[in-house]
Amino acid sequence: DAKTTQPNSMESNEEEPVHLPCNHSTISGTDYIHWYRQLPSQGPEYVIHGLTSNVNNRMASLAIAEDRKSSTLILHRATLRDAAVYYCILTETSYDKVIFGPGTSLSVIP
Amino acid sequence: GAVVSQHPSRVICKSGTSVKIECRSLDFQATTMFWYRQFPKQSLMLMATSNEGSKATYEQGVEKDKFLINHASLTLSTLTVTSAHPEDSSFYICSARDDRGGWDNQPQHFGDGTRLSIL
Repeated sequence: DAKTTQPNSMESNEEEPVHLPCNHSTISGTDYIHWYRQLPSQGPEYVIHGLTSNVNNRMASLAIAEDRKSSTLILHRATLRDAAVYYCILTETSYDKVIFGPGTSLSVIP
Repeated sequence: GAVVSQHPSRVICKSGTSVKIECRSLDFQATTMFWYRQFPKQSLMLMATSNEGSKATYEQGVEKDKFLINHASLTLSTLTVTSAHPEDSSFYICSARDDRGGWDNQPQHFGDGTRLSIL
């Protein structure tokens, strides 16, 4: 499985944008980039996913580098409820197992 | 949106007890479900893949006789922790994929987890 690397932790001020980076230099041409997040004492929740083009949804934006070796999850205005561990994961098909790395622990400062 | 329900949300029981955790997909069918375990301040660790109508596939190092998985219908998978001991205390989480997605790369839907405490 292609692996991803993320910073262990990041901080953001409330109401400011947050850019969470993910490196996946060994990504294959058919791997999708998924982002999930886990709030304290809850199961993970889906945030966004993409293949080549940048993606936007109500929660976040996903910016994918042209060579696809990295991507960035963008939270446009961080709120206290966005404090969570964010996981960047690669999967080829829906049938693939979702394997979690350490993720990035995001703290949001009021 | 797609919802996965886990029950119970919290269990406290004595050592030696067997504990069953249910994972239900409420508004979609799921041929495949996954079970994870998470220890404090660690990431999720995949334990097994649950397949409707067939045997579960366990990850390396996970005892299949200790963690019994049954996926008897397209909306329900159960994980039974047999003869639980304090070291089995953990946060157990299930996930499911919607069968309607086919091979298209759709996300997994996760339950809210079950916190198991063995005294």
